[in-house]
Amino acid sequence: DQQVKQNSPSLSVQEGRISILNCDYTNSMFDYFLWYKKYPAEGPTFLISISSIKDKNEDGRFTVFLNKSAKHLSLHIVPSQPGDSAVYFCAALANYGGSQGNLIFGKGTKLSVKP
Amino acid sequence: KAGVTQTPRYLIKTRGQQVTLSCSPISGHRSVSWYQQTPGQGLQFLFEYFSETQRNKGNFPGRFSGRQFSNSRSEMNVSTLELGDSALYLCASSWGPDREVNNEQFFGPGTRLTVL
Repeated sequence: DQQVKQNSPSLSVQEGRISILNCDYTNSMFDYFLWYKKYPAEGPTFLISISSIKDKNEDGRFTVFLNKSAKHLSLHIVPSQPGDSAVYFCAALANYGGSQGNLIFGKGTKLSVKP
Repeated sequence: KAGVTQTPRYLIKTRGQQVTLSCSPISGHRSVSWYQQTPGQGLQFLFEYFSETQRNKGNFPGRFSGRQFSNSRSEMNVSTLELGDSALYLCASSWGPDREVNNEQFFGPGTRLTVL
């Protein structure tokens, strides 16, 4: 059973517009969430994270929103650029006594930003 | 600072063989985690090592094993390869295993394993 779900396998957006990538989770023990970007033939690259004590974290063009009651988070990219075209993974960590444990990943959403 | 390196980058094996993959973490990082990426299952956690000790293990059969050396370099081994083991194997390092700010995992480029 998937604990982290990214229900949209792909998303296409026009350059300059907003990209919104969504992620849902089922495990109420998750309290730290991360987004990774992955280009072909490269490993995932950390983008932005959010702790469950917050509902928003912003870093430049990237903003992550967390809705704990809905067990939902989203990544907003504004404005979108062609270089943002990649696969985006949502990941979650559970709080098991302070250990980082292991990252639980969604299956990814392929974002295409068209010029 | 050099990133996480993984060797080899590509590997072709046949069913029943065994394989060893290597990961060198970022200098100063002592925690290494391994993940398997397949199209159907996405990224799945294999195991995590810190100070030569396995701290966490994912839901994989015993054919998958790993170890970490005193210099933090890590290897993973898969014995009796099956067709379904074909995947991209990713290694990630962080300075420690604990959940702290700025302790994100940095990923290597992965080893693409094909089992024929």
